Amino acid sequence: DGGITQSPKYLFRKEGQNVTLSCEQNLNHDAMYWYRQDPGQGLRLIYYSQIVNDFQKGDIAEGYSVSREKKESFPLTVTSAQKNPTAFYLCASSSLVGQPQHFGDGTRLSIL
Amino acid sequence: KQEVTQIPAALSVPEGENLVLNCSFTDSAIYNLQWFRQDPGKGLTSLLLIQSSQREQTSGRLNASLDKSSGRSTLYIAASQPGDSATYLCAVRLQDTGNQFYFGTGTSLTVIP
Repeated sequence: DGGITQSPKYLFRKEGQNVTLSCEQNLNHDAMYWYRQDPGQGLRLIYYSQIVNDFQKGDIAEGYSVSREKKESFPLTVTSAQKNPTAFYLCASSSLVGQPQHFGDGTRLSIL
Repeated sequence: KQEVTQIPAALSVPEGENLVLNCSFTDSAIYNLQWFRQDPGKGLTSLLLIQSSQREQTSGRLNASLDKSSGRSTLYIAASQPGDSATYLCAVRLQDTGNQFYFGTGTSLTVIP
C-alpha cells in the first residue's frame, strides 16, 4: 500500500540534545512537508521541499533543520536551539500538480 | 499572508442531524482547497479536494462547496453518525506560493448517540 511512514511514534528529548524524526513516502510525490501542531492551534509549516536537494523554510523554521537527499525521504532534526520543541509533528507529501496532500500518522515529541 | 479561519471551534450535535462546517480565507487567489479529518493523536485524512475552478465536490454523505469570490468553503455532513466525531480542518493552497498550504485551526465535532 502506498503511504507515508513516520517514526518513531513517540520521542523524548533531553536538554541540549538534537533528535531526528523520520519521514518516508512511497507515493512517488515530489513535494514533502513538515508541520508542527500545538493544542488548539492549526498546523504550522516548518520546512518544505519541492524536489530532491532543495528545501525552503516555512513560517517556524528556527531551531529545525532538514535534508532531502532522496525523493522518498525527508528527515527533520529538532536541534537544541529549539527551546519549546514539545508538540505533535506531522509529515506530508503531494505531487506538484494540485493533487491532494497526504499525511503520516505523526510523531509526538516530549521533553525529559 | 493567507489567513484561514474555521467557525465554530467546537460543535456538538445529536446523531442523525445534518450539519455545516465553515472555512473562510483572506486571499481568494487559491489553487485548491482541501478538507481533512483528524482523529485524536492521529495524522490527517483527506476527505475532499476542490480545485479553484470547481464549485463543489461530493463523497458519500459529505459535500464541500467553494465560493472563491467571498473566500468561503463549507463542508456539509448529512445524517451525522457518532463515528463522524473528529476534528475537521481545511487547508488552502495559493497560486503564487508554490506548494505551500495554509491550515485553519479546525472544528472539533462531537456526534452524540
